[in-house]
Amino acid sequence: GAVVSQHPSWVICKSGTSVKIECRSLDFQATTMFWYRQFPKQSLMLMATSNEGSKATYEQGVEKDKFLINHASLTLSTLTVTSAHPEDSSFYICSARDIARARELFFGEGSRLTVL
Amino acid sequence: GESVGLHLPTLSVQEGDNSIINCAYSNSASDYFIWYKQESGKGPQFIIDIRSNMDKRQGQRVTVLLNKTVKHLSLQIAATQPGDSAVYFCAENGDSSNTGKLIFGQGTTLQVKP
Repeated sequence: GAVVSQHPSWVICKSGTSVKIECRSLDFQATTMFWYRQFPKQSLMLMATSNEGSKATYEQGVEKDKFLINHASLTLSTLTVTSAHPEDSSFYICSARDIARARELFFGEGSRLTVL
Repeated sequence: GESVGLHLPTLSVQEGDNSIINCAYSNSASDYFIWYKQESGKGPQFIIDIRSNMDKRQGQRVTVLLNKTVKHLSLQIAATQPGDSAVYFCAENGDSSNTGKLIFGQGTTLQVKP
């Protein structure tokens, strides 16, 4: 099956620093990727839709200047958490849509961010 | 706002029994529904999906039932095994049709007792 890889799988950083999380589709091309955030014992909340070659679309309440998304190629989207604070500590999960197989979505294994 | 919700936060079953996990959705425009399994510290794993033109779909040991009249979705797991222990989420596409955008329910923790 299709594989979506996230890197890093976990990261610890100091408050005020920026952290970049990568989402790669390893064996398919994805014009659209999605970024979710999940707090402990809670559901996945969609943050933004990442579109290859264009600006991301953010969900209501998500700060676009804080969560920078870049979808530079058909296999890579990055999420940068800028000036991270402890409240940004969360599990960040991406999904990618295979353009060859409509509707089929594949999720990454998630990246756990801990901000000290 | 509209959301997908689950009735029970935790379901405990005996190994070998059947499990039924329920989900209520409120967006009548949703036409695609998916069940995911999430193990601790991992991303969601696709289990089964169903489109709104169907009311039942079966997979290996799993069955999804869709009742559009009452906006209810359920996941049935036959002969539940310890490896089925996880959090289960239903998700719907809302009014986003074919964009791939999903709205997730709150999740039900399934605990399988040996």
